[in-house]
Amino acid sequence: GAGVSQSPSNKVTEKGKDVELRCDPISGHTALYWYRQSLGQGLEFLIYFQGNSAPDKSGLPSDRFSAERTGGSVSTLTIQRTQQEDSAVYLCASSFLGQSTDTQYFGPGTRLTVL
Amino acid sequence: GDSVTQMEGPVTLSEEAFLTINCTYTATGYPSLFWYVQYPGEGLQLLLKATKADDKGSNKGFEATYRKETTSFHLEKGSVQVSDSAVYFCALSRETSYDKVIFGPGTSLSVIP
Repeated sequence: GAGVSQSPSNKVTEKGKDVELRCDPISGHTALYWYRQSLGQGLEFLIYFQGNSAPDKSGLPSDRFSAERTGGSVSTLTIQRTQQEDSAVYLCASSFLGQSTDTQYFGPGTRLTVL
Repeated sequence: GDSVTQMEGPVTLSEEAFLTINCTYTATGYPSLFWYVQYPGEGLQLLLKATKADDKGSNKGFEATYRKETTSFHLEKGSVQVSDSAVYFCALSRETSYDKVIFGPGTSLSVIP
């Protein structure tokens, strides 16, 4: 079956603009995660969804970041008023139930560049 | 808080050399432990995992054993190939249900012919 897909693969934007990043998880996976991978920061957790609910938003770096998930499937990460420090690769992952023993399957990521 | 520490890279080895990448963790209880690999230009993929103490995960010639007494999950391979060149991430997820993965900083491996 298809893996996790993300779009766009690359996004270049100007400082101050809003961007939306999309994630399509593996069909049937109830848990969905967003991470950010940047130089010097490694892989940072952003937010976790179980179904359409987000029980853990602890990693969102500021109130400019928000995310939603609809129909227990597609998720959108929105960054408002982008800043240069938002430049990174944004990774989405999904797992079957979200239990600690589950494997998380990662998408290819969206590379965001803020000029 | 919970964390993962792994040896600093980059690591450069000749083909057929023995590989060890050290990983230690800090976590309460019994976390699940993972090694993820990121090949050049590709996304993260699971290499192997172990979900309880003394378990050994293995895949593609790589092995790692969950050592609760030393809080370690060292990655080993007996004979590396050029195609193993990648960044390797040690990671854990806590014992509580529904939790994020906590990653180490990654170790870059280059294997030269």
